[in-house]
Amino acid sequence: QSVLTQPPSVSAAPGQKVTISCSGSSSNIGNSYVSWYQQLPGTAPKLLIYENVMRPSGIPDRFSGSKSGTSATLGITGLQTGDEADYYCGTWDNSLSAWVFGGGTKLTVL
Amino acid sequence: QVQLQESGPGLVKPSETLSLTCSVSGGSISSKYWSWIRQPPGKGLEWIGYIYYSGTTKYNPSLKSRVSISVDTSNNQFSLKLTSVTAADTAVYYCARLVGPDWFGPWGQGTLVTVSS
Repeated sequence: QSVLTQPPSVSAAPGQKVTISCSGSSSNIGNSYVSWYQQLPGTAPKLLIYENVMRPSGIPDRFSGSKSGTSATLGITGLQTGDEADYYCGTWDNSLSAWVFGGGTKLTVL
Repeated sequence: QVQLQESGPGLVKPSETLSLTCSVSGGSISSKYWSWIRQPPGKGLEWIGYIYYSGTTKYNPSLKSRVSISVDTSNNQFSLKLTSVTAADTAVYYCARLVGPDWFGPWGQGTLVTVSS
C-alpha cells in the first residue's frame, strides 16, 4: 500500500488527452513539491515534471503538472503510442521523514 | 551532461551484504545530493536513502537498520550497502541525483540484484 495513491491504469486513444491523479495528505503533497517520472518498458525512470509544474528541458509541452491541496495531477495531451509507460508521482513525507512514491499508473494508448 | 552508472554483483546470497557503487560522470559529485532507489520485479519504486557530498545521510526508516550509503568524492562515486539481505531485497537498484532535494534526475540505467542461494 503506497502512501501516495494513483490509479493502477488509464487509457485513451492516440491524439486524445489523459490525466493521472496522485492523492496524498498534508504530511506529503500538502507541504512539499511533487515530481513525476515516466518509465518506458525495460528502462529507468525519467524526470517528467518537477516542483509541481516545471518541465525539464527536452520534455515536450504536451506534458503538464498541477497541484491543489493534497493532490497532484499529470496531464498528457496529443497522446502518442510512444507515451505508453508507467508513470509515478513522488514527494517528501514529513511525518515518515522519507521520500515516497505513488504505486504507479500504467498508460495504454489504444 | 551528468550520467550515472551502477555496478556490483548481480547475485547475493541470503543473509549476506549487498554492495553497489554508482559512478558519476560529466559533472562533480560535490555540492549535490545523491540517492538510491529500488524497484522489485513488477512493482513500484522504493526510496532507500540519500547522501550529501559532505557525507550527511538520510535513510528510509523501513530500511534504516540495514542500510549504509557512503561517498567517495575523489573518485566521483557513492556506494550502497544493505546487510542481512533476503529474497524480498531482490530488485533493480537505481542511483540518481537528488536535486533540491525535491526531485530525482538523472537516473542510472539500473542494475538487477537477485538474492538467492
